[in-house]
Amino acid sequence: QVQLVQSGAEVKKPGASVKVSCKASGYTFIDYDINWVRQAPGHGLEWLGWMNPNSGNSGSPRKFQGRVTMTRHTSLNTAYMELSSLTSEDTAVYYCVRTQQWLFRDWGQGSLVTVSS
Amino acid sequence: DIQMTQSPSSLSAAVGDRVVITCQASQDISHYLNWYQQKPGKAPKLLIYDVSNLEAGVPSRFSGSGSRTDFTFTISSLQPEDIATYYCQQYDKLLTFGPGTKVDI
Repeated sequence: QVQLVQSGAEVKKPGASVKVSCKASGYTFIDYDINWVRQAPGHGLEWLGWMNPNSGNSGSPRKFQGRVTMTRHTSLNTAYMELSSLTSEDTAVYYCVRTQQWLFRDWGQGSLVTVSS
Repeated sequence: DIQMTQSPSSLSAAVGDRVVITCQASQDISHYLNWYQQKPGKAPKLLIYDVSNLEAGVPSRFSGSGSRTDFTFTISSLQPEDIATYYCQQYDKLLTFGPGTKVDI
């Protein structure tokens, strides 16, 4: 079955960067886009962007452009999302999602990133 | 950017009640509208895609309708396991989630 296993919780200082990994199994990694979504404590869902694991192409909303980087290691079936210049407002659970035609069907378990001095 | 609004932001209903949630887009998004359910501490789950198509395995008490800018999500008979927050999501231009509707019993 499809599984997305994400890296563990992280605590970062303001101004630092964080890199979250998402290891896929149960399907052909390069056949489906990976999207990233975050959820701040007590808040709703916020989309960070998408990546095509086959081509490596990616995109993100204007809010995150220049601050988010999405990459992959195809031989490891793993996608990565790196967010830089962290502030307390970036404290959230970060999810990777396998998507098919923008349908967010398969979600990772989430990775908690806490930004605190 | 397309903005999504949902109403109500929260509601309380009894088991067996019909629950209706509305979602409005700031511009025409055609049929590019999905609905997700999120239970506390869990990842969201896709329930309905492209306005009214029920995801495989999702109970038929869930349904969706609408077009262009105005959409509706309905639970025909609320069950205890439906306690969750529900989000609409547009994907016509980039992608935006609605703010969510928390459903309680």
